[in-house]
Amino acid sequence: KAGVTQTPRYLIKTRGQQVTLSCSPISGHRSVSWYQQTPGQGLQFLFEYFSETQRNKGNFPGRFSGRQFSNSRSEMNVSTLELGDSALYLCASSFSDAQAGGYTFGSGTRLTVV
Amino acid sequence: EDQVTQSPEALRLQEGESSSLNCSYTVSGLRGLFWYRQDPGKGPEFLFTLYSAGEEKEKERLKATLTKKESFLHITAPKPEDSATYLCAVPAPGDYKLSFGAGTTVTVRA
Repeated sequence: KAGVTQTPRYLIKTRGQQVTLSCSPISGHRSVSWYQQTPGQGLQFLFEYFSETQRNKGNFPGRFSGRQFSNSRSEMNVSTLELGDSALYLCASSFSDAQAGGYTFGSGTRLTVV
Repeated sequence: EDQVTQSPEALRLQEGESSSLNCSYTVSGLRGLFWYRQDPGKGPEFLFTLYSAGEEKEKERLKATLTKKESFLHITAPKPEDSATYLCAVPAPGDYKLSFGAGTTVTVRA
């Protein structure tokens, strides 16, 4: 079966711009989570959605936002990009939540802010 | 705040040299502990879920074990293709998220 698909794979943006990243979960998975991964901070939780509702949000500024559509696809948006936003952004999907079993991760979107 | 600590940060092994990675956690009411493997530039790949102390899971040269305070990932007779970063994570109770350790980067030389 198809895995978690993230697009685009690579992105280069300029400071001050905004960016939208997309995630298509595994068919049947209703929970979608987003994580930011950097060499210094490791994997940091951004937010989690289930049936179009945000159930939790990590400690990131309001410039980071997301949404989930009725088909469970999700997008995250970062406005007013800063150099420190350069990272690998990972999307993960699950049937219900973290306790139900392992999350399946996509290959990520590598965002570089210049 | 849940804490997940992995050690060592890096491990260099000769092919065939078995070793263990450690993941210690502080979380009330553990609801599972997950091990992932991550290759450079890719997303984490799910390996195991452990739910209770004493539980063991195996996959090829990898075996994960769980105690009340920590988990071990044993790599038996590793091959170069086992080179990767190994991450452990625990679900935050009721918070719908995973708390990850910093990972152990394993390099296996032929």
